[in-house]
Amino acid sequence: AQKITQTQPGMFVQEKEAVTLDCTYDTSDQSYGLFWYKQPSSGEMIFLIYQGSYDEQNATEGRYSLNFQKARKSANLVISASQLGDSAMYFCAMREPDSNSGYALNFGKGTSLLVTP
Amino acid sequence: GAVVSQHPSRVICKSGTSVKIECRSLDFQATTMFWYRQFPKKSLMLMATSNEGSKATYEQGVEKDKFLINHASLTLSTLTVTSAHPEDSSFYICSGQGANNYGYTFGSGTRLTVV
Repeated sequence: AQKITQTQPGMFVQEKEAVTLDCTYDTSDQSYGLFWYKQPSSGEMIFLIYQGSYDEQNATEGRYSLNFQKARKSANLVISASQLGDSAMYFCAMREPDSNSGYALNFGKGTSLLVTP
Repeated sequence: GAVVSQHPSRVICKSGTSVKIECRSLDFQATTMFWYRQFPKKSLMLMATSNEGSKATYEQGVEKDKFLINHASLTLSTLTVTSAHPEDSSFYICSGQGANNYGYTFGSGTRLTVV
């Protein structure tokens, strides 16, 4: 079963505007971690932001913030003041203990973001 | 910060040959290495998890005889695609994790094309 759901295959945003990328997750564990990664066309995975399930405050890293709504099981990424260089694929991922894979990350299908001038 | 060096970045091989992909952790000891596969415009799918000195644990549907993983040291893990076929063409990326460290350090990925 899909544990991470990203419902937006593609998004457009104008330069300097803010954009929200959606992510919902499914877990029965109390302890888990949520990550957002950026993947440009070169393929590298760039870590953006992390939110622990016990963190009471929403995580922020520069222009990135994570809107964590635990009861709704959502962890949306907000990018403020978009820049042309933000155009990339964005993946939401969850870490939870798994008897088979240890603490591997489960990734959503990703959202392709295009920032326009 | 932590770095995982992954090589080669691109490789083209003939059908039936084997290809080895290396991931080296440069400034930390990767007790666990995760190997992912990514098809174009798709998500990262976990193939296997390897712990240093142990046999890798493969995800359901991943052929362990085809995708050989070796994690003989804390700084080197390798993935060998044996008897490669065109359907093995994909982007392969590793992710290293140190002991007591919940952070993940990704390699830069390997784009494999089998012709």
